[in-house]
Amino acid sequence: DGGITQSPKYLFRKEGQNVTLSCEQNLNHDAMYWYRQDPGQGLRLIYYSQIVNDFQKGDIAEGYSVSREKKESFPLTVTSAQKNPTAFYLCASSALRYGYTFGSGTRLTVV
Amino acid sequence: KQEVTQIPAALSVPEGENLVLNCSFTDSAIYNLQWFRQDPGKGLTSLLLIQSSQREQTSGRLNASLDKSSGRSTLYIAASQPGDSATYLCAVRGSEKLVFGKGTKLTVNP
Repeated sequence: DGGITQSPKYLFRKEGQNVTLSCEQNLNHDAMYWYRQDPGQGLRLIYYSQIVNDFQKGDIAEGYSVSREKKESFPLTVTSAQKNPTAFYLCASSALRYGYTFGSGTRLTVV
Repeated sequence: KQEVTQIPAALSVPEGENLVLNCSFTDSAIYNLQWFRQDPGKGLTSLLLIQSSQREQTSGRLNASLDKSSGRSTLYIAASQPGDSATYLCAVRGSEKLVFGKGTKLTVNP
């Protein structure tokens, strides 16, 4: 079955540490996205990529980095510069005619 | 800048009731509108996708309408069930990205 796989499901980060969230899709979609979800705030766009080797900042890119070396993969790194990283992170991919498909999310907690 | 508003923020109904969730958006230049469902701690599940040229889409007990000129969409749920309890999100797609509303939290009581 086609879909998006996010891993890990839960992730714990120590102060000052960089962590990487994985996102893989087998839908053959060109575009991929990372969103952050906080209680009461809705979904906010972090980064997006419409083609391989190209990506753009979203609304809250500070403290995050991404790469898009393969069409299927769009990993997100939460750097130590992100001061409040505890949140639920969602990856998505899209094709214009078929809408967006989301992964099951990664819950990141700072310990 | 596109803004999406969902009303009400929360809704509690008895089982079996028909209900309507509302979504409004400020910029009518959209490619499509998508309704999602989110259960607690889970990702988003797509329910219905309406292209800008369409007026409505149906899937089972769900019907979504789109009035692009007035910037409105509704999600109609017929004969609600406790399993329908979730947060429902409306999102509109512009030229590059999706803009979300904050959702309506639906509780269906047995």
